[in-house]
Amino acid sequence: AQKVTQAQTEISVVEKEDVTLDCVYETRDTTYYLFWYKQPPSGELVFLIRRNSFDEQNEISGRYSWNFQKSTSSFNFTITASQVVDSAVYFCAPRSGGGSNYKLTFGKGTLLTVNP
Amino acid sequence: NAGVTQTPKFQVLKTGQSMTLQCAQDMNHEYMSWYRQDPGMGLRLIHYSVGAGITDQGEVPNGYNVSRSTTEDFPLRLLSAAPSQTSVYFCASNRVSGAGEQFFGPGTRLTVL
Repeated sequence: AQKVTQAQTEISVVEKEDVTLDCVYETRDTTYYLFWYKQPPSGELVFLIRRNSFDEQNEISGRYSWNFQKSTSSFNFTITASQVVDSAVYFCAPRSGGGSNYKLTFGKGTLLTVNP
Repeated sequence: NAGVTQTPKFQVLKTGQSMTLQCAQDMNHEYMSWYRQDPGMGLRLIHYSVGAGITDQGEVPNGYNVSRSTTEDFPLRLLSAAPSQTSVYFCASNRVSGAGEQFFGPGTRLTVL
């Protein structure tokens, strides 16, 4: 079973600031996956990134970057030069890499508000 | 390609009523699941299915039934609605091979009075 902690309940920044959303996970699996989803005010869930447990390379996609550190069980998400459209709830979600249970374990989410 | 669709988008029920939330996907995904989202709780898994004819319980299954007669459809039935089932319900699907991300439907907002 997985567990995930998103310690930041709410973050408020001013446009163009950089912001990092923290995610700490717990798992007994040797193979697992980590996901980030975005939920804008409209309510849908948007997939952002997937990371395999055996691939610790950081990833950058435009203004988004992810820092995966197995040693600290963290998978943090940074938005550079934030924009108002980044305002959303962000969820970190680990998933087992084996068996037939593809269940995502969602954290409680971090509400990011980007003010103009 | 519609992805994952859910109907209805909104529903109001009275305590004790039953209803079915519909979910369909057109991506030929084997795995489908239902989550509920409550304020401050993230999403919690209700039921899931790894293929037609196979379903299993998630972490909050009480009060809900599911069946999977086809690959495409995965309806969620509320047997006797209770105010505690007021929530937003999301259906999701993904391939079982590799580590494909789950695709989510737009959600159904259910209020039980």
